[in-house]
Amino acid sequence: DTAVSQTPKYLVTQMGNDKSIKCEQNLGHDTMYWYKQDSKKFLKIMFSYNNKELIINETVPNRFSPKSPDKAHLNLHINSLELGDSAVYFCASSPGLAGAVEQFFGPGTRLTVL
Amino acid sequence: TQLLEQSPQFLSIQEGENLTVYCNSSSVFSSLQWYRQEPGEGPVLLVTVVTGGEVKKLKRLTFQFGDARKDSSLHITAAQPGDTGLYLCAGSNNNDMRFGAGTRLTVKP
Repeated sequence: DTAVSQTPKYLVTQMGNDKSIKCEQNLGHDTMYWYKQDSKKFLKIMFSYNNKELIINETVPNRFSPKSPDKAHLNLHINSLELGDSAVYFCASSPGLAGAVEQFFGPGTRLTVL
Repeated sequence: TQLLEQSPQFLSIQEGENLTVYCNSSSVFSSLQWYRQEPGEGPVLLVTVVTGGEVKKLKRLTFQFGDARKDSSLHITAAQPGDTGLYLCAGSNNNDMRFGAGTRLTVKP
């Protein structure tokens, strides 16, 4: 059973399009995250949700909008895609808010904007 | 500006060698974690350290948290090709976790 799953695994699209990435966790965790990993492998947090409420919202363009319909899901919608959005996006979950708790990561979604 | 600086950025060694990678910051953290990421996968937690000066061992891996809780090191003894991967440190304060840029380790057979 996959603990944290993301779809799609690969996403290739044109500039200006709108796309969504879905994330689901079956671990019963309260907290979920979205990270962006660029070509230099720097993993940067974008958002975190705790019990469907937004906790962390880093300096991310408002073209990025997370949506948490329930505790087990945190989807990421991106409007008007730009070349610089190309990266690998990771979803993660943890049993509580970040700290000394383990974060469980999904396999990533590689987004390529042409 | 990154909160956590990891060094070296790249490390390529032969099987059987020992190595140490570092994670440094000017900030104090309440806890620090080390993750390993393999190509095409998400990071996986190796260890969490919370006490200044703490040393934890995981088979051939030894993790140390600095006395001032600003830095950490990961030492691998007798490295094996299976140790190849990206090693990321992540520091936490007040429910906020930040990752370093990672050390990419390649162990050649």
